[in-house]
Amino acid sequence: QKEVEQNSGPLSVPEGAIASLNCTYSDRGSQSFFWYRQYSGKSPELIMSIYSNGDKEDGRFTAQLNKASQYVSLLIRDSQPSDSATYLCAVRAAGNKLTFGGGTRVLVKP
Amino acid sequence: GAVVSQHPSWVICKSGTSVKIECRSLDFQATTMFWYRQFPKQSLMLMATSNEGSKATYEQGVEKDKFLINHASLTLSTLTVTSAHPEDSSFYICSARIFSGLNNEQFFGPGTRLTVL
Repeated sequence: QKEVEQNSGPLSVPEGAIASLNCTYSDRGSQSFFWYRQYSGKSPELIMSIYSNGDKEDGRFTAQLNKASQYVSLLIRDSQPSDSATYLCAVRAAGNKLTFGGGTRVLVKP
Repeated sequence: GAVVSQHPSWVICKSGTSVKIECRSLDFQATTMFWYRQFPKQSLMLMATSNEGSKATYEQGVEKDKFLINHASLTLSTLTVTSAHPEDSSFYICSARIFSGLNNEQFFGPGTRLTVL
């Protein structure tokens, strides 16, 4: 079983709709949770971090964390073609290392 | 967010040569930096954790004598690929972690694309 799991996609979303990305993790000791966006051929870019249960909103992005269910999600509102990318979920337990999921490819169609 | 730079952004070299990649944290001090490698259409693979003033910690399967890491200051870590071979061709990305209260976010450099002929 992978430590951090994501649906690989592609997740196809019409422009203007909400994209919903999910991520589950296995280590109950995980304390920090991150969403990165990676365009093809580029390095990952941090878009959200969340550390406590509940929702965290930043612009068109909302991260949701449920530690009891070991689940973290990302919502992208009013999706734009420029949001088309691979979204990486990353989790850190105690210590230094981030564990990444395999990423979900999102395609926003005009 | 914090800025991490890498140099060079791309490099082409002959088989058997060594290549050095620099990673700098531009607006913060990073006691810990990370080196990743990413092959096409694959996820990030952590190679090693670079600690300022001490030896790097390598992940299982990563040859420490081939991938030399030096973290000489709080803003600079270098990765040297020694005796590079075509199978070392990849996208190498460094990352640095910033501590701010309870938050501990990690930012990535733009990456270095290595092609070994």
